[in-house]
Amino acid sequence: QKEVEQNSGPLSVPEGAIASLNCTYSDRGSQSFFWYRQYSGKSPELIMSIYSNGDKEDGRFTAQLNKASQYVSLLIRDSQPSDSATYLCAVGLVEGKLIFGQGTTLQVKP
Amino acid sequence: NAGVTQTPKFQVLKTGQSMTLQCAQDMNHNSMYWYRQDPGMGLRLIYYSASEGTTDKGEVPNGYNVSRLNKREFSLRLESAAPSQTSVYFCASSDRPVQHFGDGTRLSIL
Repeated sequence: QKEVEQNSGPLSVPEGAIASLNCTYSDRGSQSFFWYRQYSGKSPELIMSIYSNGDKEDGRFTAQLNKASQYVSLLIRDSQPSDSATYLCAVGLVEGKLIFGQGTTLQVKP
Repeated sequence: NAGVTQTPKFQVLKTGQSMTLQCAQDMNHNSMYWYRQDPGMGLRLIYYSASEGTTDKGEVPNGYNVSRLNKREFSLRLESAAPSQTSVYFCASSDRPVQHFGDGTRLSIL
């Protein structure tokens, strides 16, 4: 059974701080990794994808991948109240399928 | 550009009733997916279609059927609804490996 694990939270950070969200996965053969943001009552929205070891930066977001440790993380710098949402980690499988973690709820307090 | 469109947005059914959830995408994607999302459970794959004319079971297919009507449309049918199928249903399409989600259907079964 392929699995993706996230701490469900809530993770609470003050405005302006760095939020760090973590995800582990079980399938060593996985090659693609994604972070989706989901606001309450809305659909998931892709914010980052990463395919190779190391860091990938996009604005205030940095995704980090360590395939040896089977670990993916998302850093959000200068966190804003508008970043308050549930963040879903997803791992790509064959035929384009994704397996999702249960999500981490982030609360950014003004 | 509508992306992925799901209908209806909300529905209440009685146990034993049948219903079809509709999904259409205008991005010319080959792959389409149906997920359900329950509190604290993340997204779980019900069925997927890697290309027009093909469908396959996902993680939680029991109680559901699907039809890939053409490249644009992928429907999900509940033949005899049960309270355990109360959930939020998301359709997604993919240009692999990235998936794009519709707004969801909130389904309650009494």
